[in-house]
Amino acid sequence: AQSVSQHNHHVILSEAASLELGCNYSYGGTVNLFWYVQYPGQHLQLLLKYFSGDPLVKGIKGFEAEFIKSKFSFNLRKPSVQWSDTAEYFCAVTPSNTNAGKSTFGDGTTLTVKP
Amino acid sequence: DTAVSQTPKYLVTQMGNDKSIKCEQNLGHDTMYWYKQDSKKFLKIMFSYNNKELIINETVPNRFSPKSPDKAHLNLHINSLELGDSAVYFCASSHTAGTGGQFFGPGTRLTVL
Repeated sequence: AQSVSQHNHHVILSEAASLELGCNYSYGGTVNLFWYVQYPGQHLQLLLKYFSGDPLVKGIKGFEAEFIKSKFSFNLRKPSVQWSDTAEYFCAVTPSNTNAGKSTFGDGTTLTVKP
Repeated sequence: DTAVSQTPKYLVTQMGNDKSIKCEQNLGHDTMYWYKQDSKKFLKIMFSYNNKELIINETVPNRFSPKSPDKAHLNLHINSLELGDSAVYFCASSHTAGTGGQFFGPGTRLTVL
């Protein structure tokens, strides 16, 4: 079974600061990787995804993530955060060889951006 | 235009009652899920259905029973509600294999008194 670890539980930044949220996974095979965002009081929305090709993927709202296979990592980055980025961020992993896409989610990172 | 919808949005009930949450998706996906998000925001999968067939059934009490009448619907029935069932329940859907990621519903906040 796969597992996902998000190292930062709570990150506090000022506006315009750069962001990097860590995500490491554990699984013996190939995986699909995702980052989701949950704004306060809302549901999860897909930020970006990786399943093959260029390991640097770009998502919505200026976010990007890099898949480093040798490190089993898929860290989320944004060069300059805004107050509106305050949210909960979840990394998720899905084994590529399943026919049902069972995702395992990390415990989430709460990002607070101070204006 | 709603992709994944859930009803009700809020549910407040007494311990011991039975309640249901409904989920519908209009994205043409063939896989649907139920997740539970607790007060610490931890998100845990409960069930997954693919083409109306149960394929994931995590360690969940038997009081929880999912039902999928067709590919577009996945309902969750909970018997004999307990205080610990209080949480936000999210429905989600995806294409088989999930390479496109999952689309989540707005959530149902269940409060058991």
